Amino acid sequence: DTGVSQDPRHKITKRGQNVTFRCDPISEHNRLYWYRQTLGQGPEFLTYFQNEAQLEKSRLLSDRFSAERPKGSFSTLEIQRTEQGDSAMYLCASSPFRNEQFFGPGTRLTVL
Amino acid sequence: DQQVKQNSPSLSVQEGRISILNCDYTNSMFDYFLWYKKYPAEGPTFLISISSIKDKNEDGRFTVFLNKSAKHLSLHIVPSQPGDSAVYFCAASGGGADGLTFGKGTHLIIQP
Repeated sequence: DTGVSQDPRHKITKRGQNVTFRCDPISEHNRLYWYRQTLGQGPEFLTYFQNEAQLEKSRLLSDRFSAERPKGSFSTLEIQRTEQGDSAMYLCASSPFRNEQFFGPGTRLTVL
Repeated sequence: DQQVKQNSPSLSVQEGRISILNCDYTNSMFDYFLWYKKYPAEGPTFLISISSIKDKNEDGRFTVFLNKSAKHLSLHIVPSQPGDSAVYFCAASGGGADGLTFGKGTHLIIQP
């Protein structure tokens, strides 16, 4: 499978714990995006990397959230001190150029 | 303030007929528009896109129409098939931002 992959697919955690998600983009894609989707809403943009550089951050990305793409390949999204409001589907997408973005299956986070 | 609006939460169409999904936007800086399809527990799948320099783009059963003066786009699916039953998201980019702005989605139900 040469699509975007995300790990884990599901994560249940207790409030206050830290969680980290991983995204592996399509190998030749230099652009990588993170989005969050809650029930009844469309995906909301969080942040964007071109190679290893983080070029855009949404105001939704509070200081408890941090994303990295250390070698311009896979990316991680960490949420510190999770809150119940962080419960959502976290989606990763990649693209070879601006515009068409190809999404992974998502990581569903549940904060108890 | 929602910059991309899909005002119909759901739409029911008979198999074989035309499905028309609508989307309105408010940001005049948007210059690229996309439609995604999403099944439960999966990430969005790219369907078709259109640049603001065009007013129509076709790909098989899918056609997207863009009316820039009305800030409106629509997705036509002809003929509709049972496998088309899914949530459809309209998305837009532009104004110097690479992240996509999504609508809330329309749940399309194809009835036999």
